[in-house]
Amino acid sequence: GAVVSQHPSWVICKSGTSVKIECRSLDFQATTMFWYRQFPKQSLMLMATSNEGSKATYEQGVEKDKFLINHASLTLSTLTVTSAHPEDSSFYICSAPRGQGASGEGYNEQFFGPGTRLTVL
Amino acid sequence: LAKTTQPISMDSYEGQEVNITCSHNNIATNDYITWYQQFPSQGPRFIIQGYKTKVTNEVASLFIPADRKSSTLSLPRVSLSDTAVYYCLVGDGRNTPLVFGKGTRLSVIA
Repeated sequence: GAVVSQHPSWVICKSGTSVKIECRSLDFQATTMFWYRQFPKQSLMLMATSNEGSKATYEQGVEKDKFLINHASLTLSTLTVTSAHPEDSSFYICSAPRGQGASGEGYNEQFFGPGTRLTVL
Repeated sequence: LAKTTQPISMDSYEGQEVNITCSHNNIATNDYITWYQQFPSQGPRFIIQGYKTKVTNEVASLFIPADRKSSTLSLPRVSLSDTAVYYCLVGDGRNTPLVFGKGTRLSVIA
């Protein structure tokens, strides 16, 4: 199956610093990627939709100036947590649907990355 | 708002068949039903997907009644390694994001 990678797999940073998380589709192109956040014992919460060549779309309650998303190419989206605080500590997961470009036929399966564990001290 | 409702948790002994039912009363005509498995500190992993009737693959079966308002994931002869959270999701697969409900936490006991 298709592979989506994330880097780093875990990161520890000091409060006030910025952290960049990369999401790559390794064997397919993705004009759209999604970013989720998951707190312990909770479900995945959609944060934003990353669009190649245009601005990201953020879910209600997600600060776009704090969580900067850049979809630099058809295989790479980055999420930068700016001025991180301990409450931003979470598990961040990206996903990418494969099969984009089809104009309405079939189903585009979504592939998830392995996740990035962020701990802010 | 999640489109699906599942039991919060289930317990099973090794070797038993486990059936997890999901309600999706407002499923749209274009929506598919997809189940994912998630282990702690890992991203969700695709298990099975269907539109109607029955779908079977090497790891699970998915039963969907004619009205499509629910679906049942069947895991045959579970093992300890099947302990995970299972999510049922509906979506039209048109590059729209998947909205996760609370999922079902399956615990397999020896």
